[in-house]
Amino acid sequence: DVKVTQSSRYLVKRTGEKVFLECVQDMDHENMFWYRQDPGLGLRLIYFSYDVKMKEKGDIPEGYSVSREKKERFSLILESASTNQTSMYLCASRSTPGGAKGYTFGSGTRLTVV
Amino acid sequence: AQRVTQPEKLLSVFKGAPVELKCNYSYSGSPELFWYVQYSRQRLQLLLRHISRESIKGFTADLNKGETSFHLKKPFAQEEDSAMYYCALYGRGGGNKLTFGTGTQLKVEL
Repeated sequence: DVKVTQSSRYLVKRTGEKVFLECVQDMDHENMFWYRQDPGLGLRLIYFSYDVKMKEKGDIPEGYSVSREKKERFSLILESASTNQTSMYLCASRSTPGGAKGYTFGSGTRLTVV
Repeated sequence: AQRVTQPEKLLSVFKGAPVELKCNYSYSGSPELFWYVQYSRQRLQLLLRHISRESIKGFTADLNKGETSFHLKKPFAQEEDSAMYYCALYGRGGGNKLTFGTGTQLKVEL
């Protein structure tokens, strides 16, 4: 069973702090994704990565960056956290070929920026 | 661009009543449509996909290309069906991304 693990379930950070959200998957998946989940807005794609050291902007990349130095780990970085980045962040991974049926999600990190 | 619309934020039904969660999509190619479910305090998980034409936990969904819809249905709601449901579209022409709707909270009342 594919496991996608997000290192923190809850985080509270101050405005202006640099924040790292970590995601690790254990099934050698090539593709990894970061979404944010907000009430009334659903899940919105922030960034994704097709392979190590590769990254692509999603629909709402502003204020975020990512790092993928190893295949199993995909980090989301908030360079200078702001209150409008308070949200639930979901990581997902997918094998190729797997199409959409191959998506597996982590349990999420609820980030509060104060 | 690919887009998924779920018009209802909240749907409240009584136990035993039929359920229909609406989903409409916009996509220029041939889409793959999915329903994901998130129970309270659990991770998001795949419920069903149109390609497999399966019934999971009594739920079914038929892709209607003419109406660009993929509504989720269940004839008799159960209390354990209470959850957040997301419709999602996977478009190969859209960068192989999974695009989600805004979600519908289903509440089954006794």
